[in-house]
Amino acid sequence: QSVLTQPPSVSGAPGQRVTISCTGSSSNIGAGYTVNWYQQLPGTAPKLLIYDNTNRPSGVPDRFSGSKSGTSASLAITGLQAEDEADYYCQSYDRRLSGSLFGGGTKLTVL
Amino acid sequence: EVQVVESGGGLVQPGGSLRLSCAFSGITFSSYWMSWVRQAPGKGLEWVATIKQDGTENFYVDSVKGRFTISRDNAKKSLYLHMNSLTVEDTAVYYCARDGPPSSNWFDSWGQGTLVTVSS
Repeated sequence: QSVLTQPPSVSGAPGQRVTISCTGSSSNIGAGYTVNWYQQLPGTAPKLLIYDNTNRPSGVPDRFSGSKSGTSASLAITGLQAEDEADYYCQSYDRRLSGSLFGGGTKLTVL
Repeated sequence: EVQVVESGGGLVQPGGSLRLSCAFSGITFSSYWMSWVRQAPGKGLEWVATIKQDGTENFYVDSVKGRFTISRDNAKKSLYLHMNSLTVEDTAVYYCARDGPPSSNWFDSWGQGTLVTVSS
């Protein structure tokens, strides 16, 4: 089955560092396809946050960083701020689907 | 700056049809693959369909194959999603999205979303 698994929720206090994991399989992340991350603020469309595992689009603060290893990837957010409270999704290509695959999403709560 | 305006959502009965539209400006529309992504109420994102720059190739998630058709009009810089035989499971906000550069696998510009509600 083609699935990207994320924790349903994470939390942290302002200023702290949090990480969100994304675990895939040999048909997606493990096959070498890159991982992308999106931030979705309440009631808005998703926004590209990280692309190609580690790259930030223009305008995304360097507090956000991505990494990938084997069949997993991670998003790290340092110096947590209240405005970071949102849902975060990982995404990759899956060769069994011949299309894109999203993780289930992780809700970040800033305490 | 990329601007995207979606339209076409609404309430439809099970078994009915609907066509979603997405108008782009500020980009060379014909240079990009384009996609549709949906989000059921309170749920996560789900990729629905993707179409090549010239419309000669398209791909669908299994759950919509044979029922949905993605198409585009490069002259009008517009993307479409024709949805037939709708079921309650198709209820979602539908987003159009621009794929990244060739050989990429990300979505770098998104529409505001249009809500499709399938209900009797």
